[in-house]
Amino acid sequence: SQQGEEDPQALSIQEGENATMNCSYKTSINNLQWYRQNSGRGLVHLILIRSNEREKHSGRLRVTLDTSKKSSSLLITASRAADTASYFCATDTWQGAQKLVFGQGTRLTINP
Amino acid sequence: NAGVTQTPKFQVLKTGQSMTLQCAQDMNHNSMYWYRQDPGMGLRLIYYSASEGTTDKGEVPNGYNVSRLNKREFSLRLESAAPSQTSVYFCASRRQGADEQYFGPGTRLTVT
Repeated sequence: SQQGEEDPQALSIQEGENATMNCSYKTSINNLQWYRQNSGRGLVHLILIRSNEREKHSGRLRVTLDTSKKSSSLLITASRAADTASYFCATDTWQGAQKLVFGQGTRLTINP
Repeated sequence: NAGVTQTPKFQVLKTGQSMTLQCAQDMNHNSMYWYRQDPGMGLRLIYYSASEGTTDKGEVPNGYNVSRLNKREFSLRLESAAPSQTSVYFCASRRQGADEQYFGPGTRLTVT
């Protein structure tokens, strides 16, 4: 079963606007990661937040984690056409080995 | 430095045929993973290899076998393909002590 559930499933915004994607999960985690997938390509790691962290920044990305609500959000500021992609959260529960469990993803479209 | 490579890129099989998907990484990573991605869904873990010489089942291992040939290579075998195995298959690797995974470009498999 999927650990991470993401919403919205699809998001379409204008270039320059901010995009927010949300991820909820069910069990305790070691860390939560966000990946980007361009159409027809493999996934690329964007940012990781550990269970003892609440917020993290990397360039135009900001990720938050609320372990009491078992939820995370990814904010992309000042979006660009090149940000058009699918975004996936992945939870790492570390049960003797790392096994990431992915959400179903948010399809983000940036309109010029 | 090619990262994670997968062959073939595309494959069409008839029901009952067998094939092996190849994956290699040149980053000296310890752990390697095989995932499948179905339309509108996130990735699901099929098998993983935490280190050379070890393999273990993931979430959806039925119908698949794996071989960790050496530290660089991790292959996925379908012994008797079924239409339910139509999917995009991704291989990934991870450096010991790190959390992020590096993905290959994927193999698109169709079983008719």
